[in-house]
Amino acid sequence: GAGVSQSPSNKVTEKGKDVELRCDPISGHTALYWYRQSLGQGLEFLIYFQGNSAPDKSGLPSDRFSAERTGGSVSTLTIQRTQQEDSAVYLCASSLAGPNTEAFFGQGTRLTVV
Amino acid sequence: AQKITQTQPGMFVQEKEAVTLDCTYDTSDQSYGLFWYKQPSSGEMIFLIYQGSYDEQNATEGRYSLNFQKARKSANLVISASQLGDSAMYFCAMREGRGGGYNKLIFGAGTRLAVHP
Repeated sequence: GAGVSQSPSNKVTEKGKDVELRCDPISGHTALYWYRQSLGQGLEFLIYFQGNSAPDKSGLPSDRFSAERTGGSVSTLTIQRTQQEDSAVYLCASSLAGPNTEAFFGQGTRLTVV
Repeated sequence: AQKITQTQPGMFVQEKEAVTLDCTYDTSDQSYGLFWYKQPSSGEMIFLIYQGSYDEQNATEGRYSLNFQKARKSANLVISASQLGDSAMYFCAMREGRGGGYNKLIFGAGTRLAVHP
């Protein structure tokens, strides 16, 4: 596709359930990033992929959070046993490799845990 | 460790005036990139401008310019001739250029800009 695609756009889940958020980056982009944004707040770094490997997982809040990337393309962020504090917008971005390339963002997944 | 600091949670500016949004950063790398993004109330992230650590000239893109002071580790965004549509959150970001393809991208806390008529 032309841009970064995230699905679903909105997800309402019950506390304790597992959820999977999907990110389809721009074709050819080797770098992929996941961020979490609470209402009115900044972008909290979660994890960064270069190709299929994750050089930096330092932002994952707990072991309930995991992410994978397959084929150097699609990435899935999984949250197990969701809690109400997990409610936020989850943003995915992709870019070419290198420090001087802009990152392109998806529209985000709004997760609500009830 | 990387760090981006935006010290202004909120800023007000009169329409048609210029405004400066502050950003300081901390890195031990020599090669890095600095970015500014705009996030309107719709939530989309819009790329505005980029400055490379080795660039000698300040970056400009239309009404946006980046006041890059490398020794002070600051990369302030200047918006000239503010418009009502400039009201949004503005984020400063940095990506380091370590070897081996390590290019983590981190963001500051953001500045909410309100443009008044």
